[in-house]
Amino acid sequence: EVQLVESGGGLVKPGGSLRLSCAASGFSFSTYTMNWVRQAPGKGLEWVSSISSSSTYIYYADSVKGRFTISRDNAKNSLYLQMNSLRAEDTAVYYCARYDSSGYYSFDYWGQGTLVTVSS
Amino acid sequence: EIVLTQSPGTLSLSPGERATLSCRASQSVSSSYLAWYQQKPGQAPRLLIYGAASRATGIPDRFSGSGSGTDFTLTISRLEPEDFAVYYCQQYGRSVTFGQGTKLEIK
Repeated sequence: EVQLVESGGGLVKPGGSLRLSCAASGFSFSTYTMNWVRQAPGKGLEWVSSISSSSTYIYYADSVKGRFTISRDNAKNSLYLQMNSLRAEDTAVYYCARYDSSGYYSFDYWGQGTLVTVSS
Repeated sequence: EIVLTQSPGTLSLSPGERATLSCRASQSVSSSYLAWYQQKPGQAPRLLIYGAASRATGIPDRFSGSGSGTDFTLTISRLEPEDFAVYYCQQYGRSVTFGQGTKLEIK
């Protein structure tokens, strides 16, 4: 069974930093492109970042470029999101999501999410 | 960036009725890269449709997707009580974007 479990969320002050983790199991993690997608309270979904299977290709939404860094450790089946210079508008549930393996670029599995609150 | 506009914002229907949800793109989207998701309160989104018309694993056949270019549709042929949720479309291109969602509520 595919499982994605996020952790690391919490309350942080504006300008602060936080590192999110996503532990993957039940599939060959090292062969999949992985993503972070967020959802502000009561709002829609926003793609944040993606990283290819061997970390060769990394992309960011303009809203987080230069502040967030995505990374992965295939030996540990883990995905990370380092978030710096956090702003109130970064407050959201952050989901770890897997791209499908067939080249359709849909998110076929999601974690349960971890809440990040940026507030003084 | 391709903007996806979903309509209506809210759809009020009764169980057993047919639901038609629209997703319109600001530029042409490859049909291969258009997906639909269902999200219930407090839950992560669930993939329903990928490639504009292919059902994801385990999705009932009352869900169907269609469309091409800039106009895509998600149809639920006969609503079940568990289908009342928020639905999002998503495209992959130079960036990844989602529509703002359609809330399907019980009338």
